[in-house]
Amino acid sequence: AQSVTQPDIHITVSEGASLELRCNYSYGATPYLFWYVQSPGQGLQLLLKYFSGDTLVQGIKGFEAEFKRSQSSFNLRKPSVHWSDAAEYFCAVGPNTGNQFYFGTGTSLTVIP
Amino acid sequence: ETGVTQSPTHLIKTRGQQVTLRCSSQSGHNTVSWYQQALGQGPQFIFQYYREEENGRGNFPPRFSGLQFPNYSSELNVNALELDDSALYLCASSPPGLHTDTQYFGPGTRLTVL
Repeated sequence: AQSVTQPDIHITVSEGASLELRCNYSYGATPYLFWYVQSPGQGLQLLLKYFSGDTLVQGIKGFEAEFKRSQSSFNLRKPSVHWSDAAEYFCAVGPNTGNQFYFGTGTSLTVIP
Repeated sequence: ETGVTQSPTHLIKTRGQQVTLRCSSQSGHNTVSWYQQALGQGPQFIFQYYREEENGRGNFPPRFSGLQFPNYSSELNVNALELDDSALYLCASSPPGLHTDTQYFGPGTRLTVL
């Protein structure tokens, strides 16, 4: 069965510190992988996506993620967090033919000054 | 370029009533997907529409139904509302082409069922 696990429900980091949000997936075929960010009361904004090729992908707002097939992981990273990064982050996996997406339960990020 | 828009922003209904939520897809996008996001959870796929036809459905009962119009806008209808239907309903549109999996989300409609 397809699923996405985000092990960390909530993470708190200091402004300027590095960040890594974990995502593990279970999927029977080659997945398409995504990270989205959601600010309170808002929809989801796409941060980055992985379809194929280079396993390190760059996204918007200085985020990057690395696809590791052997670990079934797609962790999101940022070298220096800004206060405006405080939000809910969702990892998602989808088929390569475009249909049903599966989202994790999200990681809530708090940034302290 | 106008993004995905949804209406209304908020809605309060009582158990047993029916509700219709609306979504206008981003210009040029011909695929629309609907998601339910309960409080503290990730979005769950309800169904997808492509060129006015249902193109996949998640684990939701038949009282959740939809439509897509020739201009690719879409409606989500929910009959016989239950308390557990209270959630943020998100619409996402996708462009035609190779990477149709890239979905662009609207701000959502917050539905409260009393």
